[in-house]
Formats: sequence, C-alpha cells, structure tokens
Amino acid sequence: GAVVSQHPSWVICKSGTSVKIECRSLDFQATTMFWYRQFPKQSLMLMATSNEGSKATYEQGVEKDKFLINHASLTLSTLTVTSAHPEDSSFYICSASYSGRAGGYEQYFGPGTRLTVT
Amino acid sequence: GDSVTQMEGPVTLSEEAFLTINCTYTATGYPSLFWYVQYPGEGLQLLLKATKADDKGSNKGFEATYRKETTSFHLEKGSVQVSDSAVYFCALSDQGTAQKLVFGQGTRLTINP
Repeated sequence: GAVVSQHPSWVICKSGTSVKIECRSLDFQATTMFWYRQFPKQSLMLMATSNEGSKATYEQGVEKDKFLINHASLTLSTLTVTSAHPEDSSFYICSASYSGRAGGYEQYFGPGTRLTVT
Repeated sequence: GDSVTQMEGPVTLSEEAFLTINCTYTATGYPSLFWYVQYPGEGLQLLLKATKADDKGSNKGFEATYRKETTSFHLEKGSVQVSDSAVYFCALSDQGTAQKLVFGQGTRLTINP
C-alpha cells in the first residue's frame, strides 16, 4: 500500500515552454504533498508544501510564479514549470503524507520526473 | 537552520562485508531522524527511523541509533548483500515543522558479489 506515482517519468522541452508534472497517491488520500528538486549528486531540496484546497507554501528562494503548484484533490497534486529554461533542468520528486493506524505521519515518495530543457 | 551531513560516496563493498554510513545533524529542537533508501528507478522508501534520543531503528538487517550527545545517526549492517546496492539518504524532521524533511546529500552504495 501507500504508492505514489509521477507522470511523466521524463520529459524534454524547449526553452520558453511550460511543463506539467503530476503526482498521484494511488491507494490513499493525502492532505499534504511535498515537491522536491534534486540536482546530480546532491540532496533533495524541498521546494514547496501543498495542502489540498489551499495555496502551496513555498520555501525561501523558490519562485512561486515559476513553479505553479495545484493540489485540487486528495489524490492529485501538479507542478507546472512555466517558461522553462535550461537551468530548470533537474530531477523533480513528489511525496505524499499519510497517517497510518499507528499514528504519526510518514511521507511516501514518487519515483521522480527527469526534466531536460533544451 | 537544520542540516544533515552524510559521508560522501560512492561506497563499494564486497558481499558479506560490514557497512557503516555516517550521518550527523544540526537542529535547534528535538528532531526525528530517518534513513531512506532509493533503489534504481524507484522512489525513496523509508528504511528506518528513530524519534527520540537513544532510540534504535532497525529494518532488513540495518540499524541506526539516535545519539543526541554526538548528534549522529549512523547506519550499520553486519553483512551486506548485492541487493542492498542503492542510494541511502539520512534525513531529519523537526517536530514543529509539519513533517518537512531535511535530507543529507545521499550515499551511493555498490555491493559486489
């Protein structure tokens, strides 16, 4: 259980275009989802926290107008990279928060999306 | 702010060798500590966790003990297998920051038969 999917798994786009990445919790409802960015051989950096039905909370230094996050339902959050540039090329990972029977929260991660902007 | 530092990889070992991956942290509060593993082509999976000082997390033969005095959470396994080859991430969550995770840079582990 507690599976999170991302689509697409990889995407190549031209500079100036926009790209949408979907994150879905397949077998549970997630009130909170997180979006991370990972550069080669570096750590995952939290970009934003997304709560269903409300605006996302962005980390310091992340441009909210460039990285649009929508969490329209309890099983779907989307990240749209607007007017993409080569420096936006990266690995984007989402996670969904789930509270199990034992209480407390655990994050379940998607497999990631590789974005290459040419 | 909070931070996590892991030993740099890559780490290459032979099957049945003893494994240690060092992890130290800096936090203002009393964080929960985690080890995540990422197998090729898959998402991060929680390997083990500890929520307070002196707690030991364990799973699949891996262990890590929350050491507040040394601010460490080193990952150990007595006898590694080829199937343990993956990238391992140490992470912390400050109790007051709504589950936000701060990750170390990851350590790539390769086990040779």
